[in-house]
Amino acid sequence: NAGVTQTPKFQVLKTGQSMTLQCAQDMNHEYMSWYRQDPGMGLRLIHYSVGAGITDQGEVPNGYNVSRSTTEDFPLRLLSAAPSQTSVYFCASSVAAGGDRSEAFFGQGTRLTVV
Amino acid sequence: GNSVTQMEGPVTLSEEAFLTINCTYTATGYPSLFWYVQYPGEGLQLLLKATKADDKGSNKGFEATYRKETTSFHLEKGSVQVSDSAVYFCALSDSRDKIIFGKGTRLHILP
Repeated sequence: NAGVTQTPKFQVLKTGQSMTLQCAQDMNHEYMSWYRQDPGMGLRLIHYSVGAGITDQGEVPNGYNVSRSTTEDFPLRLLSAAPSQTSVYFCASSVAAGGDRSEAFFGQGTRLTVV
Repeated sequence: GNSVTQMEGPVTLSEEAFLTINCTYTATGYPSLFWYVQYPGEGLQLLLKATKADDKGSNKGFEATYRKETTSFHLEKGSVQVSDSAVYFCALSDSRDKIIFGKGTRLHILP
């Protein structure tokens, strides 16, 4: 069972560079989301999607773009990397956004450093 | 809006000690409640959940009871092991909104 797969696991970027963090799930989940995890801040929601073709902003969306062309994939794009985007990024999926079917399955994370 | 508050860490215990990590919530409806665990270098994984008042979730020796009267979902384990060292997140979700996570509590178990 692959579950939620994130690539890459580690990445170093220079300020101003762009890149895409990949996320794929094989559980046919409608709801997918991206979080960043920083020390002392817990998880903060960046963007989410309730189904193919539908995306919306979370708590900290600035500097990031997403798209959802298929149910399986939900890539996160950093448009122009800044040191403040140094963080660990997690992708998650679930059957539903809320309620008792909202059990989230997480990827292994991408540790991003912007220098 | 909905919110989750959990005790700040780190929590340091000796092996075989009793563990409690407090979690309280604010919600207007009848949310489902979750505990997630994050082991070093990994993503979060569901530890246990409860979907209605007085339900008890349990897994791997951990338990938590959904207490609507005190709006709490405290995590407990009777005898912790070194392998339980991790970060624990309390979370809630209702049918009208997305899942919300607490800030996490780091647990260190000393041999």
